[in-house]
Amino acid sequence: DQQVKQNSPSLSVQEGRISILNCDYTNSMFDYFLWYKKYPAEGPTFLISISSIKDKNEDGRFTVFLNKSAKHLSLHIVPSQPGDSAVYFCAASAPSNTGKLIFGQGTTLQVKP
Amino acid sequence: EPEVTQTPSHQVTQMGQEVILRCVPISNHLYFYWYRQILGQKVEFLVSFYNNEISEKSEIFDDQFSVERPDGSNFTLKIRSTKLEDSAMYFCASSDPPYRGGYGYTFGSGTRLTVV
Repeated sequence: DQQVKQNSPSLSVQEGRISILNCDYTNSMFDYFLWYKKYPAEGPTFLISISSIKDKNEDGRFTVFLNKSAKHLSLHIVPSQPGDSAVYFCAASAPSNTGKLIFGQGTTLQVKP
Repeated sequence: EPEVTQTPSHQVTQMGQEVILRCVPISNHLYFYWYRQILGQKVEFLVSFYNNEISEKSEIFDDQFSVERPDGSNFTLKIRSTKLEDSAMYFCASSDPPYRGGYGYTFGSGTRLTVV
């Protein structure tokens, strides 16, 4: 089951620069996409989401872009801070009343001071 | 800020033994979930639970697994006869209503289950 894929296991950026995390999906029925951040020994923390009817959603330093024709979304973090260093998971949900989320494999972001 | 609480944080059990993982969801939430993450792999959906019944379960959630809300505050995951491959981090989550965009749902810090 590879409906949500994050092909980059890791990313390293300099503090103050932009971090771009990518995610691809295969199921055109997904109606919401989410990004979660996870620190070691903690549960995933919700970061930002986007509806499939939109192509961009912004919240402070975090922006998610959705390209439905390419079945691709990306998370931009500007400017990156050392505290952003964590594992970032892309997740998707299909229309249902159950709330099930399908996660990608995660990308480990390291922001260097 | 309200949080989802999971106990224990780490459980070691012998293969074939039963384990119960416990969760206290956020008090006004009505939808509850279990996910797991095998080391180095993605977070996988196990089951969602609403109104005292399972609303969806994955292929992983076979007859060895069960969930229960024994009282008004706890939500448990039971594995009847553990196998080595059940070793993983198990996350409980809750939401109200089921996630439909905007805020996601809240995960607990997880229980690391080690089957030996």
